[in-house]
Amino acid sequence: DIQMTQSPSSVSASVGDRVTITCRASQGISSWLAWYQQKPGKAPKLLIYAASSLQSGVPSRFSGSGSGTDFTLTISSLQPEDFATYYCQQANSFPPTFGQGTKLEIK
Amino acid sequence: EVQLVESGGGLVQPGGSLRLSCAASGFTFSSYWMHWVRQAPGKGLVWVSRINSDGSSTSYADSVKGRFTISRDNAKNTLYLQMNSLRAEDTAVYYCAREGSVVAQPLDYWGQGTLVTVSS
Repeated sequence: DIQMTQSPSSVSASVGDRVTITCRASQGISSWLAWYQQKPGKAPKLLIYAASSLQSGVPSRFSGSGSGTDFTLTISSLQPEDFATYYCQQANSFPPTFGQGTKLEIK
Repeated sequence: EVQLVESGGGLVQPGGSLRLSCAASGFTFSSYWMHWVRQAPGKGLVWVSRINSDGSSTSYADSVKGRFTISRDNAKNTLYLQMNSLRAEDTAVYYCAREGSVVAQPLDYWGQGTLVTVSS
């Protein structure tokens, strides 16, 4: 199975900050990567697919980049509603696998 | 509006069985592959199973293979997960999710989840 490793596991930031989360795949996955946001007690929500395509309805302050093994999710200016846990997921190889999550907390 | 609504979770003893359902609406259910993903309390997301659009092809995580069965009824717009020989480590919130038809096949819509607790 392809291992997805996110860093950091947690990060503290303030409203208005720029935040970057990294996801590394144990082998190349082309651009078959998605990013999800999950708030406590809620279902995950798709933010980014194909590494850099913004899902409909998602604010443009979210962006994704990367290909192969190294990927990033960037939030350009944090809003109060962005404090959540973020997961990356690869769909290039079976089985689909998720990163362990990055918890974004208010500083 | 796309909606996925899971049901069927609850408390079950080790070795017991449970069937989860996921009622879909707001899209042409029969055109989409569907997945189950679970999340143990305080833990991350783990993929469980998927089924193709007509139900002819299924896949499972090694941890549930031989114990869980995914199926669908396209006439009823419903996805199922039959879970047998349940173990304590199967305790989790179970989400159904739709596989998007765009490139890289993301899980674009998720249900609210149903909690399965395996305990004596």
